[in-house]
Amino acid sequence: AQSVTQLGSHVSVSEGALVLLRCNYSSSVPPYLFWYVQYPNQGLQLLLKYTSAATLVKGINGFEAEFKKSETSFHLTKPSAHMSDAAEYFCAVTLGTGRRALTFGSGTRLQVQP
Amino acid sequence: EAGVTQFPSHSVIEKGQTVTLRCDPISGHDNLYWYRRVMGKEIKFLLHFVKESKQDESGMPNNRFLAERTGGTYSTLKVQPAELEDSGVYFCASSQVGGANTGELFFGEGSRLTVL
Repeated sequence: AQSVTQLGSHVSVSEGALVLLRCNYSSSVPPYLFWYVQYPNQGLQLLLKYTSAATLVKGINGFEAEFKKSETSFHLTKPSAHMSDAAEYFCAVTLGTGRRALTFGSGTRLQVQP
Repeated sequence: EAGVTQFPSHSVIEKGQTVTLRCDPISGHDNLYWYRRVMGKEIKFLLHFVKESKQDESGMPNNRFLAERTGGTYSTLKVQPAELEDSGVYFCASSQVGGANTGELFFGEGSRLTVL
């Protein structure tokens, strides 16, 4: 079985501040992990993914995430928030290679204050 | 290359009526998934097609939901009769199979269903 837990349904940061969105996973085998973003009135867009290569993964728009097996975490960070980062972010896990569907967390809505 | 397209983008129906949602995956993607998000909760898996075969339909809520993928191309998801709790956003996603697949899904913009 696989699952993800996103801590904090809403996160608010000031423009220019650090963004930290938390994700912890549970998986019986080494997982593939993803962060997706959904902007208003749009579909889900892949930010970045971890597929058992480098543990620090860089994605689009300056986001990155670090896979920490000992902590079963895959937190998403960005050094400096921009107004355009306001969106909903979803962490997801799969056992990989399309054998199983993605399992999503409940999402974290990021607000960026001017 | 066209992405995953879904139709309609928004549907408003009355309880007891029927609605059919359509998804056109990315060309060449044999994996097709349906997900649903109800009232700001988590995005939940409904079912998974590989070509025209249902690989996993463990997430389908009940027998009022019927998904098809004739010919292994586009897919439809029919809700009949619709109930109030079926309201939500229905997402379709697709991916390749085999070695080119790294688990990433490509999502459509979703079909918002409102049942009154």
